[in-house]
Amino acid sequence: GQQLNQSPQSMFIQEGEDVSMNCTSSSIFNTWLWYKQDPGEGPVLLIALYKAGELTSNGRLTAQFGITRKDSFLNISASIPSDVGIYFCAGWNSGNTPLVFGKGTRLSVIA
Amino acid sequence: KAGVTQTPRYLIKTRGQQVTLSCSPISGHRSVSWYQQTPGQGLQFLFEYFSETQRNKGNFPGRFSGRQFSNSRSEMNVSTLELGDSALYLCASSPDRPKNIQYFGAGTRLSVL
Repeated sequence: GQQLNQSPQSMFIQEGEDVSMNCTSSSIFNTWLWYKQDPGEGPVLLIALYKAGELTSNGRLTAQFGITRKDSFLNISASIPSDVGIYFCAGWNSGNTPLVFGKGTRLSVIA
Repeated sequence: KAGVTQTPRYLIKTRGQQVTLSCSPISGHRSVSWYQQTPGQGLQFLFEYFSETQRNKGNFPGRFSGRQFSNSRSEMNVSTLELGDSALYLCASSPDRPKNIQYFGAGTRLSVL
């Protein structure tokens, strides 16, 4: 089945630094989603992308839908301690196919 | 609007037992999906129900089953529990439009001893 390669697997950064993570696929997707999961909770939707090349922001978060439709990127600017968590990308193809999730990027912020 | 509600939050079972997990979707959402989450494996898709019919199914053994009721509430059942079934089980509901956006519950943490 389809798989998403999400990188990096984990990262440790200093508070105030910017963060970049990405998701790639061998297949084309028509929608890219980014979720964040806090410990002990379910994933929460951060950003949804619907068009190739689209760049969307949500506060300090910015995500882009790659022009090849096979990748997506998430950037977090000026990280703060509450950014700690696991970030998941998810792709959707068409029709009634299920979402495909990456394995997540675990972010740790050092104060 | 209330979010996705999963009950119970925590469960402890022993090998060989069976378990039923419950999920109440966001009001108006007819699609409910279930995932298994284990450390390092991300979210593994179990199945999706839409209007009481299973619409998609992942690669899990037949011990994992589900159903959806007319009010869109869904249950997931695991029979003959194994140690490897210990995981966080997440439920997500989706609106009809856009149907590819999923909203997750807090999950049920299942521990099999």
